[in-house]
Amino acid sequence: QSVLTQPPSASGTPGQRVTISCSGNSSNIGTNTVNWYQQLPGTAPKLLIYSNNHRPSGVPDRFSGSSSGASASASLAISGLQSEDEADYYCAAWDDSLNGYVFGTGTKVTVL
Amino acid sequence: EVQLVESGGDLVQPGGSLRLSCVASGFPFSNYWMTWVRQAPGEGLEWVANIQQDGREKYYVDSVKGRFTISRDNAKNSLYLQMNSLRAEDTAVYYCASEDSDSGFDYWGQGTLVTVSS
Repeated sequence: QSVLTQPPSASGTPGQRVTISCSGNSSNIGTNTVNWYQQLPGTAPKLLIYSNNHRPSGVPDRFSGSSSGASASASLAISGLQSEDEADYYCAAWDDSLNGYVFGTGTKVTVL
Repeated sequence: EVQLVESGGDLVQPGGSLRLSCVASGFPFSNYWMTWVRQAPGEGLEWVANIQQDGREKYYVDSVKGRFTISRDNAKNSLYLQMNSLRAEDTAVYYCASEDSDSGFDYWGQGTLVTVSS
């Protein structure tokens, strides 16, 4: 059961900026940090953004994240969209009420 | 190079049992929380369970509590998931991942497919 809500799809042309939202509540995003994962077709997920806005080594700076505890929401931005960015993107956070991690519903990004 | 290799996935009948394994290499396994995440066919990701470095603390998603047990053997760099009373809705690819409190699930395995069907 997904507790974090994401739009099912997002799209853009090469070079454009795409933003994906992730909405939660006070038990998860309102209190804890958000991580983002990228899943390319047919592959395992990969960590893309951690602790709201940090990129692991090797992740291009075209990817950026932000989070607002007050509104219990987070967002992922992809600037300079490229064809290789076509993938599913998931947000995730620890939920203090459920005592477990929760994932977002996932957003499929299409490069037109 | 960090590697996580899952195994044990199979076709099993409803009510049956299965034990998944995940062997880690390339990082200090005993220093990390470890987690299992699953993905039903055509669906999104679902966190299943995680376990503390020394195995004392464990957490589970509600839907598997009482049926699944996560465990680890640090001497063998291995993580396990014992799955009992399997249901059709447990059908999924199961991934193991290393977990850092600051950086989330930083390394993932390739996954192993569990199919529950008669």
